[in-house]
Amino acid sequence: QEQLVQSGAEVQRPGASVKVSCKASGYRFTAYYIHWVRQAPGQGLEWMGLINPGRGGSDIAQKFQGRVTLTRDTSISTTYLEVKRLRSDDTALYYCVREYHYEGDEYAFDMWGRGTMVAVSS
Amino acid sequence: DIQMTQSPASLSASVGDRVTITCRASQSIGSRLSWYQVKAGKVPKLLTYGASNLEGGVPSRFRGSGFGTDFTLTISSLQPDDFATYYCQQSYNFPRTFGHGTKVEVK
Repeated sequence: QEQLVQSGAEVQRPGASVKVSCKASGYRFTAYYIHWVRQAPGQGLEWMGLINPGRGGSDIAQKFQGRVTLTRDTSISTTYLEVKRLRSDDTALYYCVREYHYEGDEYAFDMWGRGTMVAVSS
Repeated sequence: DIQMTQSPASLSASVGDRVTITCRASQSIGSRLSWYQVKAGKVPKLLTYGASNLEGGVPSRFRGSGFGTDFTLTISSLQPDDFATYYCQQSYNFPRTFGHGTKVEVK
């Protein structure tokens, strides 16, 4: 069964860092990019970045550059999102998402983790 | 970055109604457009990709259409399970960008 399993909820103080994990199973880990998308309470979906699990290269949204790092460990089919210097407006549900490559050169987010809630509060 | 503009932001409808949501891209994206359904407490669900391709397992009452800059998601006969927020998303380039969402509420 193909799935993405994320780590549990976190509560952090402003200025701290958080590292969220996303373990893939049921498919070849290196075959598809993993993206990270967040949704703040009452807000829409926001793309944060992606990692190529095969080569390890990443692309981070400009808004998050310098604060967000994406890494992976191929030995355990796991990707990681680290957010530094947390602020209260980083409070959100963070999703890891697989981007599938369909025939006809189309792409879409076909599989989502269940989300990891990160609350930032003093 | 490609801006995705959805309309309306919300709509009220009844079971059985035909519902149409539009999404406009700030530049041409070909057919690189997907639609997602998001419900509180549930994982977002892919409905359509490549503008008009129905993801496996998605009911046929959902239909995506469009090309270039203008796209629509149509629900032919709204069902109780369809009350949710819908987002479009472009996969033409990076950063991937989403529309701001359309909330479909009970009339």
